[in-house]
Amino acid sequence: SYELTQPPSVSVSPGQTARITCSGDAVPKQYSYWYQKKAGQAPIVVMYKDSRRPSGIPERFSGSSSGTTVTLTISGVQAEDEADYYCQSTDSSGTYVVFGGGTKLTVL
Amino acid sequence: QMQLQESGPGLLKPSETLSLICNVSDDSITSDSYYWAWFRHPPGKGLEWIGSSFYSGITFLNPSLKSRAAISVDTAKNLFSLNLRSVTAAETAMFYCARLHRSGGYFDPWGPGTLVTVS
Repeated sequence: SYELTQPPSVSVSPGQTARITCSGDAVPKQYSYWYQKKAGQAPIVVMYKDSRRPSGIPERFSGSSSGTTVTLTISGVQAEDEADYYCQSTDSSGTYVVFGGGTKLTVL
Repeated sequence: QMQLQESGPGLLKPSETLSLICNVSDDSITSDSYYWAWFRHPPGKGLEWIGSSFYSGITFLNPSLKSRAAISVDTAKNLFSLNLRSVTAAETAMFYCARLHRSGGYFDPWGPGTLVTVS
């Protein structure tokens, strides 16, 4: 089965830049998406189609893709950004939805 | 603003069938723009997609659950449902429903979730 690989954790101080990566063989062929999940809350989409930011998501969130890796970048991290972040894509056929294992962002 | 709300039994015994409903408000479930999806999030683990369904009946299911899961759309009641047969204790999780935007490819919004405990 298709897998997306994320680092388990990323830690940054407030104001710094956090970069969360997600790797998968089908990344070059399929769009990737990023979801923010805070404890006790439902996930919200913070990036879609690799680098498009939904309305209402702060400009400090950006996305990029290179080769088999997509990256979610949070510039000027704020305490409120502390959450689990999940990348999501589909298999190479575009049929089945797959999530990465999630990355816990800690704001020191 | 449209909203989704999951409902169902909070507690099941192993081998029973889980049945959940997602009520869709302030949007039509028969819109051609969306699919309707279910997810689960076991404690301490990652998000897992269960499946997505179009109002016409077209359904895609996670291959790992395909033999036990079913999603159906009730256009008359504007809701969709999940049935998962033969649950085990390891399947205790928060279950979420969400709307899939066909053009954007993203899931939004999500319901608040409902906790299902298998014990």
